[in-house]
Amino acid sequence: KQEVTQIPAALSVPEGENLVLNCSFTDSAIYNLQWFRQDPGKGLTSLLLIQSSQREQTSGRLNASLDKSSGRSTLYIAASQPGDSATYLCAASGGSYIPTFGRGTSLIVHP
Amino acid sequence: EAGVVQSPRYKIIEKKQPVAFWCNPISGHNTLYWYRQNLGQGPELLIRYENEEAVDDSQLPKDRFSAERLKGVDSTLKIQPAELGDSAVYLCASSLEGEQFFGPGTRLTVL
Repeated sequence: KQEVTQIPAALSVPEGENLVLNCSFTDSAIYNLQWFRQDPGKGLTSLLLIQSSQREQTSGRLNASLDKSSGRSTLYIAASQPGDSATYLCAASGGSYIPTFGRGTSLIVHP
Repeated sequence: EAGVVQSPRYKIIEKKQPVAFWCNPISGHNTLYWYRQNLGQGPELLIRYENEEAVDDSQLPKDRFSAERLKGVDSTLKIQPAELGDSAVYLCASSLEGEQFFGPGTRLTVL
């Protein structure tokens, strides 16, 4: 059974810092890995999707990498802003397309 | 393009009462998911549909939960009877080529 772990569970940084969020998964036979953000009381917003054949994806200040052999993905946020404050979740989908989510990293960016 | 639509947004019921949630996925998305999210946790998959066929419902508590997607478009998730432990946010998502898009969720409170 796939297990997904996100470290750290919580993070508080000053505005402007570059930061890295980690996601690890136990079964490397994944179809894709997707990063989301979730604002309080809201649904999940897709940030980046990395297919199993890809190594990384970029969108604006966000960059996500995937290393299947080590069972790890990282989300890099450049020049963090207070508007980036949210919970960030990763989901690994196996060959049967069943997504398994981590518990998320709660990020606070203070001015 | 309209996103995933869910209703109601909030529901408060007494235990042992029935409740139903409705989801309309993004047009053209054949895959539909229902998740349950408890506070501080990632979403947990309840059931996944490919068109009108339920292809993974292993995590659905079938004694009290049921779901349908009769015409392969919108879907309904029902709980009967509801228990105190069912209080959670119920999320619907749809996908095309593996990338999931979520609705705003229904927050259920069982008293």
